[in-house]
Amino acid sequence: TQLLEQSPQFLSIQEGENLTVYCNSSSVFSSLQWYRQEPGEGPVLLVTVVTGGEVKKLKRLTFQFGDARKDSSLHITAAQPGDTGLYLCAGGPMDSNYQLIWGAGTKLIIKP
Amino acid sequence: KAGVTQTPRYLIKTRGQQVTLSCSPISGHRSVSWYQQTPGQGLQFLFEYFSETQRNKGNFPGRFSGRQFSNSRSEMNVSTLELGDSALYLCASSLASGSISGANVLTFGAGSRLTVL
Repeated sequence: TQLLEQSPQFLSIQEGENLTVYCNSSSVFSSLQWYRQEPGEGPVLLVTVVTGGEVKKLKRLTFQFGDARKDSSLHITAAQPGDTGLYLCAGGPMDSNYQLIWGAGTKLIIKP
Repeated sequence: KAGVTQTPRYLIKTRGQQVTLSCSPISGHRSVSWYQQTPGQGLQFLFEYFSETQRNKGNFPGRFSGRQFSNSRSEMNVSTLELGDSALYLCASSLASGSISGANVLTFGAGSRLTVL
């Protein structure tokens, strides 16, 4: 059974601080996606990474896919209250006949 | 273009009742997936429909069922509701079926929050 473990499960920091969220597995994925979900809404895709070692930046958010395509990280620089939400990672299994594997999520609160 | 629409947004049922939830995908999307989300459990995959056929199914009991119509709209049904069925039920649509590639993106609706008393 493929699993994706996210850490930390919960993070509460002050505005302006930096943070990193991790998504780890013992399995290799064909791709990995990060979503953000705000209260009362469904998850919204932030980024997809498909190549080992790939780094993508989205304003203050930096996403990295591990070289072996087993793990990923999300780094936020100078966090703002608008970054508050549930961050979910989802891995695409190597066999495309199977569904995404989801992490349990990191609940992030940025205090003004 | 319009996003994924789920109805109803909120509903309250009692144990033993049944419920039907509806999902209208983005126009042109033929794949609809359903997920159950509970605090601390992440998204649990229920099933996926593509062109009116169930392509994949998660590990949920037979009380959970679904279907897809010719216009790609989908419904899921939960019979004999239990307290543990209280959750946010999310629907997501995509162009293609199966796992994610760089081109296949899931677009989620806002969900239907079910409370079972």
